Formats: sequence, structure tokens, C-alpha cells
Amino acid sequence: AQSVTQPDIHITVSEGASLELRCNYSYGATPYLFWYVQSPGQGLQLLLKYFSGDTLVQGIKGFEAEFKRSQSSFNLRKPSVHWSDAAEYFCAVGEPNFGNEKLTFGTGTRLTIIP
Amino acid sequence: DAGVTQSPTHLIKTRGQQVTLRCSPKSGHDTVSWYQQALGQGPQFIFQYYEEEERQRGNFPDRFSGHQFPNYSSELNVNALLLGDSALYLCASSSKGPGETQYFGPGTRLLVL
Repeated sequence: AQSVTQPDIHITVSEGASLELRCNYSYGATPYLFWYVQSPGQGLQLLLKYFSGDTLVQGIKGFEAEFKRSQSSFNLRKPSVHWSDAAEYFCAVGEPNFGNEKLTFGTGTRLTIIP
Repeated sequence: DAGVTQSPTHLIKTRGQQVTLRCSPKSGHDTVSWYQQALGQGPQFIFQYYEEEERQRGNFPDRFSGHQFPNYSSELNVNALLLGDSALYLCASSSKGPGETQYFGPGTRLLVL
């Protein structure tokens, strides 16, 4: 069965500093990979996704992620964070055989931004 | 263009009761998936509906059931509520097929007392 690990439960970053959120997955083949963001009281918003091709994926709000097959990782990065980036971030994998209907999520990383 | 909508936003029930949650997909979408998000956890897949049939199911008991209507809207029903069913229930819609993005609604927060 597929699984997702987000090893950092909580990260604190100064505004303007760079950010990297870690994600490792377990799956027998190359999965579909996603990063979602959830603000308090809100649903999930897709930041970016990887299906195939270029392993560096650009998303919304200045985020990017890099798929590394050898490390089974899909880390999320942003060069300079803004106070509005404070939220919960979830990495997810989807089973290619079924498209993206069934997503398995990690436990999330809470991002706090300090002035 | 309205996104995914869910109702109600909040709900309080007692153990043993039954609850129905509702979801309207984003315009143009025909596939609806339901997820349960317990406090401090990531969402967990409950099931997915397409063409008014349950197509996939996660590791949830039969107390969790659903329905999809001809207009693609969907309901999630939970019978014999347990305290552990307290969670945020998220609905996601998409078009059928690989590579299609799932769009999530704001969720229904269910509290079971």
C-alpha cells in the first residue's frame, strides 16, 4: 500500500527566508504527487502536482517542488516566504491506475511565519 | 463559477445517531470523492462516486455510505455515530480520468458527543 511521510510536524520560518518542506512516499511505481495547502477553517487548495516529465514542478504562489525518484521524495520549496504562507501543508500521492481519485495524504506540516 | 460547496458547515450529533452530509461539485465535474480529516491528521479517503456508483472505497466500515445523484451532487451518510467519527469531512470533485485535479470544498465539521 502506498504511504506518505512528512517528517516535520511544525516548522517556523522568518518572513523573507527560504522554505523547504519534506515529503517521502512509498509506492511500487512512479505515483502522481501533489502538494496541498490548508488555511484554518478552509478546505484544501492545490499548490502543484507531478505526473511525469520534468522533475521540477512550478506551482501557484511561488512554490515549486522537485521529484527525486532515487530518494522517493517530493520536497516543496519557496525562495522567500510571506506572512500569508502560514498554513498547514499536505503532501499526497495518487494511484496512477485510477487517475487521481484516491489520494493518500501525509500527516501535514504546520508552517509558522515570524516577522 | 462556484467551486465545491458543502452543507452544513458545522453539525453536532450524539452517539448512535445518523448524519447526512451534502456536496455539490464544481461545475463541469462528474466525480466526487469524500475524505475524513481527524484533528491533527491528514485527510483519509472514504470513497469515490462516478456515474452514480461507488467506484473505490477506503478502509471505512459499512456505517459509512454514500450516494450520487444525476446532477453529480453527492451525500455522505454515517450511521450509528461514534465519538471517533468527530472530524472534518471534505468533499472533492474532479473530471474523470488521469491527470485531473481534485478540487476540495471547505468541509463539514462534525462533532459527536
